[in-house]
Amino acid sequence: DAKTTQPTSMDCAEGRAANLPCNHSTISGNEYVYWYRQIHSQGPQYIIHGLKNNETNEMASLIITEDRKSSTLILPHATLRDTAVYYCIVRLPNTGNQFYFGTGTSLTVIP
Amino acid sequence: GAVVSQHPSRVICKSGTSVKIECRSLDFQATTMFWYRQFPKQSLMLMATSNEGSKATYEQGVEKDKFLINHASLTLSTLTVTSAHPEDSSFYICSAVSGSRSYNEQFFGPGTRLTVL
Repeated sequence: DAKTTQPTSMDCAEGRAANLPCNHSTISGNEYVYWYRQIHSQGPQYIIHGLKNNETNEMASLIITEDRKSSTLILPHATLRDTAVYYCIVRLPNTGNQFYFGTGTSLTVIP
Repeated sequence: GAVVSQHPSRVICKSGTSVKIECRSLDFQATTMFWYRQFPKQSLMLMATSNEGSKATYEQGVEKDKFLINHASLTLSTLTVTSAHPEDSSFYICSAVSGSRSYNEQFFGPGTRLTVL
């Protein structure tokens, strides 16, 4: 039920932008796209979410295609502490609706 | 920001014993809490959804009599692993959702690592 597809792993040079893609071709009109990351042996951390407009916060930018079938999470200047597994999740924004995690992308930031 | 705590952070127990894990929302009221299990090098797997004052809803394949969930207040949910076996060894993570936030952001606890000998 994850409904998202992400590359298994990616590398990024420290200081460069990390672009993490996510395919969600079956997304419905009311479902949001959420991004979380999990550093080894810790609980997941919220990064950003969006519906159809591009979003930016202090951590990252989220670019959602016009047809909403895919999105890209951008970490503008990756640091070694950004090494983590990044999860893209689609979900209806109601309290009781579950978050189903896919396999995520393991991002390694290289010095 | 909203904080969710879990206790204990790590527990080792003998096979056949029961283990209780607590999940608390420290600075907000959580209308809904979720429990996940994560095996090494795998993703988080949702076990159950817990709403305050009502019975938990379990995902398919999760034994409700083995994983007892109690959500007694808007800030506390507990997961009890009954008659634990080595195959129950895993990383257990809870999360909480605050209904007061417009987008219902989910806040995760730091996780509890259970090792059953």
